[in-house]
Amino acid sequence: AQSVTQLGSHVSVSEGALVLLRCNYSSSVPPYLFWYVQYPNQGLQLLLKYTSAATLVKGINGFEAEFKKSETSFHLTKPSAHMSDAAEYFCAANTGGFKTIFGAGTRLFVKA
Amino acid sequence: SQTIHQWPATLVQPVGSPLSLECTVEGTSNPNLYWYRQAAGRGLQLLFYSVGIGQISSEVPQNLSASRPQDRQFILSSKKLLLSDSGFYLCAWSVQADSTDTQYFGPGTRLTVL
Repeated sequence: AQSVTQLGSHVSVSEGALVLLRCNYSSSVPPYLFWYVQYPNQGLQLLLKYTSAATLVKGINGFEAEFKKSETSFHLTKPSAHMSDAAEYFCAANTGGFKTIFGAGTRLFVKA
Repeated sequence: SQTIHQWPATLVQPVGSPLSLECTVEGTSNPNLYWYRQAAGRGLQLLFYSVGIGQISSEVPQNLSASRPQDRQFILSSKKLLLSDSGFYLCAWSVQADSTDTQYFGPGTRLTVL
């Protein structure tokens, strides 16, 4: 069965430090993969998505993610954290059809 | 451009009362529509999805129901709310022709059942 695992429910980084949010998927076929960001009391906003065109995907707000089939991973990174990046981040996977599976989310804290 | 609206933004209801949450999408035709619930500190749980008017698929048996009376309108209802229905309800849409089913979310409705 398809599943998405986000390692670490909370991640804390200092402003200016590297952001790394981990996501692993389990799927019998290569899925489409997504990262969303959610600010408090708001809906989810699409950051980026992998659709098999390129393994390194660039998104909005300076984020990028790399699809590694051998590791079944799709980790999200940003070279330098800003205070405005503090939010909850969700990784999601879809193998076609109407069931996109979401991870449990990782809350990112950015320290001044 | 496409926009998605949800209302109300917040709602406080007593146990046993009815519920109606509305979602509308503008700027697109024949979208797929979704209702999710997000409990505090947890991920998203798919409740219902719809590929067309009057076509509803339920993912989780519960006391909620959904309807799609118009192409771009999706309604979540309950006849009698339970305490466990509290949460953040999100509506989303996707393009039917998009094989990736990339979903775009509304602003959400915070429901508190007391």
